[in-house]
Amino acid sequence: KAGVTQTPRYLIKTRGQQVTLSCSPISGHRSVSWYQQTPGQGLQFLFEYFSETQRNKGNFPGRFSGRQFSNSRSEMNVSTLELGDSALYLCASSLEGQTSYEQYFGPGTRLTVT
Amino acid sequence: AQRVTQPEKLLSVFKGAPVELKCNYSYSGSPELFWYVQYSRQRLQLLLRHISRESIKGFTADLNKGETSFHLKKPFAQEEDSAMYYCALSGMDSSYKLIFGSGTRLLVRP
Repeated sequence: KAGVTQTPRYLIKTRGQQVTLSCSPISGHRSVSWYQQTPGQGLQFLFEYFSETQRNKGNFPGRFSGRQFSNSRSEMNVSTLELGDSALYLCASSLEGQTSYEQYFGPGTRLTVT
Repeated sequence: AQRVTQPEKLLSVFKGAPVELKCNYSYSGSPELFWYVQYSRQRLQLLLRHISRESIKGFTADLNKGETSFHLKKPFAQEEDSAMYYCALSGMDSSYKLIFGSGTRLLVRP
């Protein structure tokens, strides 16, 4: 099976702009989670989607939003970018029905805000 | 508060030496604990989970509920074990939210 894919892999934006990142989960996986990874804060949970519904949300401002499509692909959007949004954004997918919550991670999108 | 603590940022050992990466957690309930690993230029991947109680690549981890710990151990470190290791927990609810520790970089010297 193909792994989790994320596009684009690298992105440079300017403060104030907005950005959309895309994630395609492993075929058959209906849960998609997003994480932000920074040197200072480490890996932090952003939100999780399952069957097009947001099931959980982390402690991030409303500028961070996401959605999931009927084919389980997900996008996250960051509006009014700030310098502090520079990070590696990771997407992970999970297979519903497992007894444990194993997540499969994508390679990430590295966002640089200048 | 839900929290995962990895007290060591860097752990350096020689090849063949035992390794113990520490992880303590705080969670009001019965979480599921994981160790994830990230090798150089590779994506984050699951190493092991406490439910399966298995040994992967010679690594084991035992959940100690009394001490709220989930330390990762290997009796004889190999150079290919050098990587970033993250301890994580997930609450036993309907969401796949992982709470990660800050990570420990393991460096195995020849």
